[in-house]
Amino acid sequence: QVQLVQSGAEVKRPGASVKVSCKASGYTLTDFALHWVRQAPGQRLEWMGWIKAGNDNTKYSLKFQGRLTITRDTSASTAYMELSSLRSQDTAVYYCAREASGWSQQATYFDHWGQGTLVTVSS
Amino acid sequence: SYELTQPPSVSVSLGQTASITCSGDKLGNKYVCWYQQKSGQSPVVVIYQNNKRPSGIPERISGSKSGNTATLTISGTQAMDEADYYCQAWDSSTAVFGGGTKLTVL
Repeated sequence: QVQLVQSGAEVKRPGASVKVSCKASGYTLTDFALHWVRQAPGQRLEWMGWIKAGNDNTKYSLKFQGRLTITRDTSASTAYMELSSLRSQDTAVYYCAREASGWSQQATYFDHWGQGTLVTVSS
Repeated sequence: SYELTQPPSVSVSLGQTASITCSGDKLGNKYVCWYQQKSGQSPVVVIYQNNKRPSGIPERISGSKSGNTATLTISGTQAMDEADYYCQAWDSSTAVFGGGTKLTVL
């Protein structure tokens, strides 16, 4: 069955970077787009960006432009989300989520989610 | 930036019907999906493309849309339905989530 397993919790200092991994099993990583969504404590879900199926094209939310990098290692069936210049407001649970295939961009949805990775930014 | 608006909380008595709304500008021209997030867990899609249910989601959960307001309806609400619910739509290839609604089952 499809599984997305993320790396463990991280504690970072302000100004540092964090790299979270998302290992896919039960399907071929490059066959589906993979998104990253975060949730600050008690807050709404917030979309960050995605890496397309089939190639390494990415799109990022304007909010994270310049700080966010999403990559993929097909040999390891693993996607990565790296966020730099961390600040306390980046403290959140970060999720990877697979985009359902076979639909247009406007009609698609997230059919599988990772378990989440808590990133704490604190001095 | 595009915004989706949900009520922060909805309460429903056990066995009754709960309705959660989601409104946004020109939402009538967009597909809406809904995610259920139980405490400490990852979100799970319960409705996609306004009113379609993924396999495994009970028939008592349904979605609809009228004009610029989408509604998630849970009939015969059970204790297990207590969760946060988020609507989501796409705007310029960007996923936008509503603020979430906490459903409390009394």
